[in-house]
Amino acid sequence: QVQLQESGPGLVKPSGTLSLTCAVSGGSISSSNWWSWVRQPPGKGLEWIGEIYHSGSTNYNPSLKSRVTISVDKSKNQFSLKLSSVTAADTAVYYCAREGKGLGYFDLWGRGTLVTVSS
Amino acid sequence: QSALTQPASVSGSPGQSITISCTGTSSDVGGYNYVSWYQQHPGKAPKLMIYDVSKRPSGVSNRFSGSKSGNTASLTISGLQAEDEADYYCCSYAGSSTRVFGGGTKLTVL
Repeated sequence: QVQLQESGPGLVKPSGTLSLTCAVSGGSISSSNWWSWVRQPPGKGLEWIGEIYHSGSTNYNPSLKSRVTISVDKSKNQFSLKLSSVTAADTAVYYCAREGKGLGYFDLWGRGTLVTVSS
Repeated sequence: QSALTQPASVSGSPGQSITISCTGTSSDVGGYNYVSWYQQHPGKAPKLMIYDVSKRPSGVSNRFSGSKSGNTASLTISGLQAEDEADYYCCSYAGSSTRVFGGGTKLTVL
């Protein structure tokens, strides 16, 4: 079955850029699904970051839009997240997720990866 | 775009029923029938429990049900079991291709 796996540096310096990749296995990223990033600061709730379709179309959380770029690499069956100008407030577990065939729900999640912003 | 409002905690005894509320606005919960609910155990990824307000994915127990009235959605768990103890999050489509989550509710099974 389809699985998602996040990867990337676990430590990023303040003012730097956070970069993560989500590998899709057992299925194609070119299926009729949108693919999202969601984050969760330690001990806090979930926050939707943004989404991408295999065509490259994207939608972002307005509160993060100025700092976020989500891209897709169909040849590698993966999609990526870049978050610039990070601060300690960006420390969180970052999840990649698949959106269901409908609208606004996430039916498959990766295991998540903790990214800490610290010097 | 503000987070949806959920109670910080709810509790119930095994076998009882509990309801978790999720309050938004007419721009999110009240405006669309696209509310979903997630269960998250400590250290684990969220799991989809309810979508489109009241639909259950395959494999989710029918003890879980969802509803909506106005700007408030609700998740009801009947016949509480120890394994239901977890954090629960609601999520709504919020227009303009955005989504918003609730702050989360910690369910304790007494």
